[in-house]
Amino acid sequence: QVQLQQSGPGLVKPSQTLSLTCAISGDSVSSNTAAWNWIRQSPSRGLEWLGRTYYRSKWYNDYALSVRSRLTIIPDASKNQFSLQLSSVTPEDTAVYYCAKFGGGSGWLDSWGQGTLVIVSS
Amino acid sequence: DIVMTQSPDSLAVSLGERATINCKSSQSVLYTDNKNYLAWYQQKAGQPPKVLIYWASTRESGVPDRFSGSGSGTDFTLTISSLQAEDVAVYYCQQYIDTPRITFGPGTRVDVK
Repeated sequence: QVQLQQSGPGLVKPSQTLSLTCAISGDSVSSNTAAWNWIRQSPSRGLEWLGRTYYRSKWYNDYALSVRSRLTIIPDASKNQFSLQLSSVTPEDTAVYYCAKFGGGSGWLDSWGQGTLVIVSS
Repeated sequence: DIVMTQSPDSLAVSLGERATINCKSSQSVLYTDNKNYLAWYQQKAGQPPKVLIYWASTRESGVPDRFSGSGSGTDFTLTISSLQAEDVAVYYCQQYIDTPRITFGPGTRVDVK
């Protein structure tokens, strides 16, 4: 059973970088069949896919167009975790952030982290 | 991006009665492998979403059989055949034919009447 444990600050100042980490147990970030995602949820935007990282003999990343210029997802095989870094945040980035895993080799999300409420405010 | 819509926004159903939620995609999620790339999730207050159904009608392991999914192409339905108190939640549909650019519906809130 895959478990995802999120960590990171819940308050970030405007223009700064939001950083969150997702620690994986029961699977490997370097798995050749899994993909590891960040999703966020807010009243204004609903559930929004942000990006993913995955390993298929080398590392790949995909990002949503809405955050592509500001988002970096970094895998760490030594710690079996992956991280989100979202730069130049504004209050519109206030949301609950989730890490999650694509299931069945396809695109539904079968394992989720507990969620982190991140508020962007000075 | 593929836009997902849901109806109704909310519904209240008596315990033991049927609840029906509709989901529509802006383009077909039926692929050439004859599978519909559509999932349903349940989200209870303060929790992350939990997948109930994928491939439009396949129940995730451990999901009660009162939950069922149907539909094809652009129109889909989630049915709770006999509502239980623990089913109070918000339900979302999600397309994954455009993986990784998955998109979700806005959600339907289900309460007990």
